[in-house]
This record gives sequence, structure tokens and C-alpha cells, in this order.
Amino acid sequence: DTEVTQTPKHLVMGMTNKKSLKCEQHMGHRAMYWYKQKAKKPPELMFVYSYEKLSINESVPSRFSPECPNSSLLNLHLHALQPEDSALYLCASSQGDWDSFSNYGYTFGSGTRLTVV
Amino acid sequence: AQKVTQAQTEISVVEKEDVTLDCVYETRDTTYYLFWYKQPPSGELVFLIRRNSFDEQNEISGRYSWNFQKSTSSFNFTITASQVVDSAVYFCASLNSNSGYALNFGKGTSLLVTP
Repeated sequence: DTEVTQTPKHLVMGMTNKKSLKCEQHMGHRAMYWYKQKAKKPPELMFVYSYEKLSINESVPSRFSPECPNSSLLNLHLHALQPEDSALYLCASSQGDWDSFSNYGYTFGSGTRLTVV
Repeated sequence: AQKVTQAQTEISVVEKEDVTLDCVYETRDTTYYLFWYKQPPSGELVFLIRRNSFDEQNEISGRYSWNFQKSTSSFNFTITASQVVDSAVYFCASLNSNSGYALNFGKGTSLLVTP
């Protein structure tokens, strides 16, 4: 299995809703990432989990709450979002160490397109 | 931190033309990785190539080729005989060793290939 699976593919939520995005990989990767991509912009890093621990938080507002229940699963819990949070949310995984990138790279999921109304 | 610059915002070509997408990077590291990704309108990021700083060999894969030149800090991407299916946004990216091995993306180049 060489895929990163993201669900749902599309999500529309109100500003008072609570929802979660899910990301799953079964490649034995030890690092998992959340990126946010606004229209006509490059992906921007939100969070990095390394060996199931949060290692990087790029000053993301607390209405976004990541969770890594195990080495294969990464969630992003959403609460009280704003319309400007509408974006494509991409999950990715990697082996998680520098030398591994010689033979392995990043694997991205197909993303969740989120609309906040 | 490393920086990647893609100066071309949009490029429009007619099918069968060759097109080169430019990527210039800045780094103080002696070891680094560079990537190219394709993002079609559907949104998924499609991996095209990875190159590390020790390997300056040019790469050819079908109609795609990459020219990596450390002397000019460039990692350019050429599509030969472009096709409509090549229409997408192309991102050049570097691996950031100071940020959990996250990717630093350039701003992307939007390529439109018309029949």
C-alpha cells in the first residue's frame, strides 16, 4: 500500500460546527504532516507529527486541533472555523529521517476540500 | 531556512511546443533535497522528481527532463512536445531540515496548454 488516504474528499461546515478530517497511511512512515492550501497559493505547513508526537506547530489557531492516535492515523479536528479557513487540506507522510529521502520521498493524500459557510 | 523562487506565474503554450519552468533555490546547507510536483485542477499533488545535492545528473523521463545546476542554484523543468493534459500548476519545493522535514514550496507556475 503506497497511498495516503484522506476522508472526506469534500466538507461543508457551518461556523458553529465541529468536524474532523482523517488521514491514514500504511507505509510504515514515521512522520505525518498537515498542509493548508488556499486557492492559487502553494501549500503551507500547519503541523508535523514525528513518531506520533507533535513536533511542529506553525502558529496555527487553536480552532484547528491535530491528533495522532497511532502511527498510521492523523486527524485534524475543526471547531468554530471562519469562512477564511476554507481551503484544500492536504495530508502527507514520509519516513521522517534525512537519509531516507535519498530513496523515499513524500506521499501526499488527495486532500479534503473544506468550505466554511 | 531554504527559499524556492518560481518567477513565472503563468505560462501559456500551444500543444507540441516545448516549455521550461524555472526554479531557483537558496540554501546555506551543503546537503539538500529538491522536488517537483504537479497539481492538476483536481487538486492532488503528483510527485514528479526528487534530487539531492550530491547528484547533479540531469534526468529525463519521457517528455519530461530536469536540469539541475548547483552553480546557478537552479533546478529547471522542461516539457517537450507539450500536451493539453500537461495543463496544471507545477511546484518546485525544497526539504526543510529545520522544520521536521517539511516542504518549502515555491509559489508555483500555472501552465496552460491549448490545442
